Amino acid sequence: GESVGLHLPTLSVQEGDNSIINCAYSNSASDYFIWYKQESGKGPQFIIDIRSNMDKRQGQRVTVLLNKTVKHLSLQIAATQPGDSAVYFCAETRAGNKLTFGGGTRVLVKP
Amino acid sequence: EAQVTQNPRYLITVTGKKLTVTCSQNMNHEYMSWYRQDPGLGLRQIYYSMNVEVTDKGDVPEGYKVSRKEKRNFPLILESPSPNQTSLYFCASSLLIRRRDRVDEQFFGPGTRLTVL
Repeated sequence: GESVGLHLPTLSVQEGDNSIINCAYSNSASDYFIWYKQESGKGPQFIIDIRSNMDKRQGQRVTVLLNKTVKHLSLQIAATQPGDSAVYFCAETRAGNKLTFGGGTRVLVKP
Repeated sequence: EAQVTQNPRYLITVTGKKLTVTCSQNMNHEYMSWYRQDPGLGLRQIYYSMNVEVTDKGDVPEGYKVSRKEKRNFPLILESPSPNQTSLYFCASSLLIRRRDRVDEQFFGPGTRLTVL
């Protein structure tokens, strides 16, 4: 069925290195893709979104890449910091304004 | 401070005892939504509301009710809770989930951990 999923459940990264979190989607009708960060004991927090007609979007220390050919989405975090340790979710939205979330990837930043 | 609040934050109850989880936002958002979060399943949408008196089912609405009598409040009602509704629940709000050129950020509440015995 239609889904938004993540390749890796856990990602360990050295502090200062770049992190790349991947996400696959199966529905070509998705028109926005969104990344959320969830820290322990808190609700998800919006990071960045990308419209389906774009390939790349940059924010503060984060870049989202969208490859529609292979239906793949990634979030790159530059110079990963201890505060980046969290679970990251990709989500997609289509007509009807409903969000569908992927299963999440846990990022662990090693000092 | 702009925020989404939920109450209670933690609740342990028994099967069949009706309960309500409240959600309130102070950002004048039209869109509000409820999600449940379960290990390995991520967040799944239960119900959402585009505006006052407008509610729609999400992916997992069975066993839940909602109401939107006021713009700021969106309570989640479990008329007869069952153990499979043990979960972490999040309320969220935004101006609109999708505009022509961008997505309006959804703001999430702190979560309500519900245990149904």
